[in-house]
Amino acid sequence: AQKITQTQPGMFVQEKEAVTLDCTYDTSDQSYGLFWYKQPSSGEMIFLIYQGSYDEQNATEGRYSLNFQKARKSANLVISASQLGDSAMYFCAMRGGGSGGGADGLTFGKGTHLIIQP
Amino acid sequence: DTEVTQTPKHLVMGMTNKKSLKCEQHMGHRAMYWYKQKAKKPPELMFVYSYEKLSINESVPSRFSPECPNSSLLNLHLHALQPEDSALYLCASSQDLATYEQYFGPGTRLTVT
Repeated sequence: AQKITQTQPGMFVQEKEAVTLDCTYDTSDQSYGLFWYKQPSSGEMIFLIYQGSYDEQNATEGRYSLNFQKARKSANLVISASQLGDSAMYFCAMRGGGSGGGADGLTFGKGTHLIIQP
Repeated sequence: DTEVTQTPKHLVMGMTNKKSLKCEQHMGHRAMYWYKQKAKKPPELMFVYSYEKLSINESVPSRFSPECPNSSLLNLHLHALQPEDSALYLCASSQDLATYEQYFGPGTRLTVT
């Protein structure tokens, strides 16, 4: 079974500051993928960034980077130079190899509600 | 084009109604998913389709009936729902089951009265 833990239910950050959202995971799969999604109040799940378990380099996408520490089973999201539009719910998610050999659906953490203040 | 569309955006239905949710993607993806998201909770997987065949059913009650008529289209038929089924229903797709990245639609907000 896979488990994602996000320990920060909510965060308030000043605009233009960097933000780190924490995520730890647990899995027995050797091959897996880690994701971060942003969900504004409108409800849509917006894909931000992906890290494969065998990727040696940390993933980066524009202002988003994923701090992947495999031995610690952590996959924190770093948002540089935060903007007011970054205010949303952020979910860490994982997808593993699955017992049938194919990948299953995503397992999500409980989310972190990020509020950027002017 | 990385778009997954869902209709309707909002749906209100009574407990005796029959309705359907529709999801469509034109990215050539062969795996499609339904998730249910209750307020202030993370999404939970309901069904997975691969090459138009049901691959995973996460012990979902039979009042939810998925259908994949072709590789671009995924439906969720609803019948005799309960008020506790009120939620945001999200559809997603990926290239195939072996590809990790999933793209989500905007969701359908369902209210059961």
